[in-house]
Amino acid sequence: GNSVTQMEGPVTLSEEAFLTINCTYTATGYPSLFWYVQYPGEGLQLLLKATKADDKGSNKGFEATYRKETTSFHLEKGSVQVSDSAVYFCARNYGGATNKLIFGTGTLLAVQP
Amino acid sequence: DTGVSQNPRHKITKRGQNVTFRCDPISEHNRLYWYRQTLGQGPEFLTYFQNEAQLEKSRLLSDRFSAERPKGSFSTLEIQRTEQGDSAMYLCASSLTIQGMREKLFFGSGTQLSVL
Repeated sequence: GNSVTQMEGPVTLSEEAFLTINCTYTATGYPSLFWYVQYPGEGLQLLLKATKADDKGSNKGFEATYRKETTSFHLEKGSVQVSDSAVYFCARNYGGATNKLIFGTGTLLAVQP
Repeated sequence: DTGVSQNPRHKITKRGQNVTFRCDPISEHNRLYWYRQTLGQGPEFLTYFQNEAQLEKSRLLSDRFSAERPKGSFSTLEIQRTEQGDSAMYLCASSLTIQGMREKLFFGSGTQLSVL
């Protein structure tokens, strides 16, 4: 089937801690993979993406590597800030040229000063 | 920067009533998507348009739901005879897609529907 599974939250960290949010997917082909972020009171924003195996997406200090062998796309950041507090969604597309996406359930990250 | 605009932000209605939401995509974006997000879940794809043509509808979109994009600009999503299970955040997103190349998707802030 086609699905996205991400770790449940909330994840509570102190400022400057290391962050990992796990994400795995199932797919019959080779989808593009995404991380979206939703800050309080705002719409979903694309954080980063990877379109093929071994690609690394990166943005704002966040990184995720497309691992075909483990069907994973874990999100990492070396040193989180209070401003990173948000809900993070892992997603994959259905394939093809559309932006039809399958999202995970979201992980709430709370960074404390 | 006009972004993707959705109205209203919140809608409270009684079961059985009809509701309509509006989405104004980023100007010149040719693709427009509707998603639904229930509490504690990620967004789920409902339907999308390329210009004024509705190209795909999810099985989630029952016959009580209808979406239009009459001039290839703004879109409306109507729910007839609302049910409590329709309570959710309805998200609109748009992108500029040229010759099959997938471009970045921009989301609006959503319309929160509560059916009493």
